[in-house]
Amino acid sequence: NAGVTQTPKFRVLKTGQSMTLLCAQDMNHEYMYWYRQDPGMGLRLIHYSVGEGTTAKGEVPDGYNVSRLKKQNFLLGLESAAPSQTSVYFCASSYTMGLAGLSYEQYFGPGTRLTVT
Amino acid sequence: LAKTTQPISMDSYEGQEVNITCSHNNIATNDYITWYQQFPSQGPRFIIQGYKTKVTNEVASLFIPADRKSSTLSLPRVSLSDTAVYYCLVGDIASGGSYIPTFGRGTSLIVHP
Repeated sequence: NAGVTQTPKFRVLKTGQSMTLLCAQDMNHEYMYWYRQDPGMGLRLIHYSVGEGTTAKGEVPDGYNVSRLKKQNFLLGLESAAPSQTSVYFCASSYTMGLAGLSYEQYFGPGTRLTVT
Repeated sequence: LAKTTQPISMDSYEGQEVNITCSHNNIATNDYITWYQQFPSQGPRFIIQGYKTKVTNEVASLFIPADRKSSTLSLPRVSLSDTAVYYCLVGDIASGGSYIPTFGRGTSLIVHP
């Protein structure tokens, strides 16, 4: 099993350009997440999905859109990139989402390093 | 809000036991506490989770007092390869009212020879 994969690994954008980050998982997980990680800030949840066709906002959703057309894929889009979106983006998936006392065991991808100039 | 607080950094030496404490004063009644490890240029990796008292696995132990307002990750006899950032994770309420996983800012552990 590949686990969670992310493409691309690196990307440089100019301000105003758009792009889509792709996350794929082969563990048949219902739940998928997009985080961003900035120095000294830990990981902050952007959007998440509790199943195919559903998405929801996390802690820092502004400037991003997501789609979950297939259970195994979760896409993160930047419609008009800004320098403030320079970050490392991590995708994760899990069987459960910590509701009703269930666990938060998430499996993470290797990350995408995005620079917006 | 179930925000977490951890020390920013810690130093240790090979062979020592390391204890990292996370405060989560407003943790929800039914929430688990989960810890992750992250090496540079990699995604976080699950270490251990617990609800109350003590949990032990092959990597670490997790101590949770009765009031559950804090938890302590214990790494026995650390080695250089344990140098990493350690995050505790509990749930929180997002602006839209949903219950989401929320990472702390992490503790950077450096193990010296």
